Amino acid sequence: EDQVTQSPEALRLQEGESSSLNCSYTVSGLRGLFWYRQDPGKGPEFLFTLYSAGEEKEKERLKATLTKKESFLHITAPKPEDSATYLCAVQAVEAGGSYIPTFGRGTSLIVHP
Amino acid sequence: NAGVTQTPKFQVLKTGQSMTLQCAQDMNHNSMYWYRQDPGMGLRLIYYSASEGTTDKGEVPNGYNVSRLNKREFSLRLESAAPSQTSVYFCASSEPGVGNSPLHFGNGTRLTVT
Repeated sequence: EDQVTQSPEALRLQEGESSSLNCSYTVSGLRGLFWYRQDPGKGPEFLFTLYSAGEEKEKERLKATLTKKESFLHITAPKPEDSATYLCAVQAVEAGGSYIPTFGRGTSLIVHP
Repeated sequence: NAGVTQTPKFQVLKTGQSMTLQCAQDMNHNSMYWYRQDPGMGLRLIYYSASEGTTDKGEVPNGYNVSRLNKREFSLRLESAAPSQTSVYFCASSEPGVGNSPLHFGNGTRLTVT
């Protein structure tokens, strides 16, 4: 059964203190790994898609990387506005050809000024 | 550009009452999804619709029914609400026929069942 595990569950950083969030997965036939950001009271907002091991994507202070078993979301010199819950999801081929994303439980990030 | 719109935003029900959560998207997406999000449990798929006219069960379908009214609209019905259905419900849509396309989410319906 496909599984997606995110760690840590919660992370507190000081402004400017760089760190990484982890998403490990066990799927067969990975079609894509996705990172989302979710602010309180809002729906998840898409950040990145990674398709193959070795791929990297960047957006402002965020960089996502992918290996065959895990993905990292690196946050460089974070600011308080980066505080949010970050969700990881994987899509793999399912029976009947439907691509159903499986989500991890998320990492809650708080950046203190 | 509205994206995915969910109504209502908040709802309080008594045990045994019924209600329908509405979802509409304006991105011409074929696939639509209903998730519930509970503390510590992450997003769990209730039902999905790969295309207009089709619906399939997800991980936690018990107690729910869905209707894909047309390409734009996908509703979720609770026939007899239970306290265990207290949750935040998210509707999402994605690009047709592309297995590695991201989901676009609405802002959720916060449901409390007393």
